[in-house]
Amino acid sequence: GNSVTQMEGPVTLSEEAFLTINCTYTATGYPSLFWYVQYPGEGLQLLLKATKADDKGSNKGFEATYRKETTSFHLEKGSVQVSDSAVYFCALSERGSWGKLQFGAGTQVVVTP
Amino acid sequence: NAGVTQTPKFQVLKTGQSMTLQCAQDMNHEYMSWYRQDPGMGLRLIHYSVGAGITDQGEVPNGYNVSRSTTEDFPLRLLSAAPSQTSVYFCASRPLRGLDPYEQYFGPGTRLTVT
Repeated sequence: GNSVTQMEGPVTLSEEAFLTINCTYTATGYPSLFWYVQYPGEGLQLLLKATKADDKGSNKGFEATYRKETTSFHLEKGSVQVSDSAVYFCALSERGSWGKLQFGAGTQVVVTP
Repeated sequence: NAGVTQTPKFQVLKTGQSMTLQCAQDMNHEYMSWYRQDPGMGLRLIHYSVGAGITDQGEVPNGYNVSRSTTEDFPLRLLSAAPSQTSVYFCASRPLRGLDPYEQYFGPGTRLTVT
């Protein structure tokens, strides 16, 4: 079956540091890939997405590139802010699955001033 | 638009009690779903629906029932609560047609504790 593996947290960074969260996946088909973010006490919000190989999703300074050869979708941001403190989820959705999402375990990111 | 709303925000149940978690959306989305979030496990799909009168099981459906009588509402019923159902529950919706079919919109969650 499909699965998503992402690095465990928490990841603690200082403000303006570089952030990388690794995500790899296994899928029987050709999925769409997503990063969702959950701020404290809130539901999940879509951060960015990519629907085919070599697509780069980007939003709010975050980027991730769909790498079919390494089955990866790593999330990066060049300079984090305290407001980026949140839990980040990598997820996939197979075509023809009604958009059902398969999530990774989530990575908590804590940014300190 | 209120988006996806969930009630209650918090609930404590005793083992064996039943209850219904409410979910509503005002975006006319055909697809609605329920997930549970547990530490270290991400979110797992419980049930989903692709339209009024149509529901199907997700990854972890046991102990939960759903129905979809209207486009707007998708309640989740716990028939006989167990401590293993202690979790945070999220409802989500998305359109099946349109310019961007991929984004799911999540509600704020219901934190359920079963003692």
